[in-house]
Amino acid sequence: AQRVTQPEKLLSVFKGAPVELKCNYSYSGSPELFWYVQYSRQRLQLLLRHISRESIKGFTADLNKGETSFHLKKPFAQEEDSAMYYCALKDSQGAQKLVFGQGTRLTINP
Amino acid sequence: DAGITQSPRHKVTETGTPVTLRCHQTENHRYMYWYRQDPGHGLRLIHYSYGVKDTDKGEVSDGYSVSRSKTEDFLLTLESATSSQTSVYFCAISLQGLKAEAFFGQGTRLTVV
Repeated sequence: AQRVTQPEKLLSVFKGAPVELKCNYSYSGSPELFWYVQYSRQRLQLLLRHISRESIKGFTADLNKGETSFHLKKPFAQEEDSAMYYCALKDSQGAQKLVFGQGTRLTINP
Repeated sequence: DAGITQSPRHKVTETGTPVTLRCHQTENHRYMYWYRQDPGHGLRLIHYSYGVKDTDKGEVSDGYSVSRSKTEDFLLTLESATSSQTSVYFCAISLQGLKAEAFFGQGTRLTVV
């Protein structure tokens, strides 16, 4: 069964400090992993996907299959990064089931 | 916004009554999902659909049923609402393909009293 774990419910860092949001997964196949973000009073939206190896708003995430992790990182946090972050895994089988972790609420202090 | 709307946006209902939430899309996306969002639990998958009349259970499907009789609508029904089903419910849609992102509705806040 596919499962996504985000061990930190809350994370608070100061502006300008590095940020790392942890995500671990369990999945028997080849996973497709995403990070979604929910800003206050906005819809959940895609932040980045591992297949694209992209950097969005200064965030990056590397898939580590050995450690089954997909941690989200940013070298210098900004106040507008305060939001709820969700790691998600999509089933590579036909039905493409999409499951999310418990979420991490990130607060950037001035 | 990706052409996905949920209705109603807010609802208060009594324990034991049936409730149906609607997710409507104008994007012709094949995949549709229903989630509930609760503090400490994040987003949990209730049911999902991979085509008209093709649905499957998610992690927390007990007490919920779904129907998808046409591409654009995915209905979530609480057969007999309980207080534990008080939550914010989100619908999402996605194109076919592993890389395809999911687009989310605005959410429905349901309170069962």
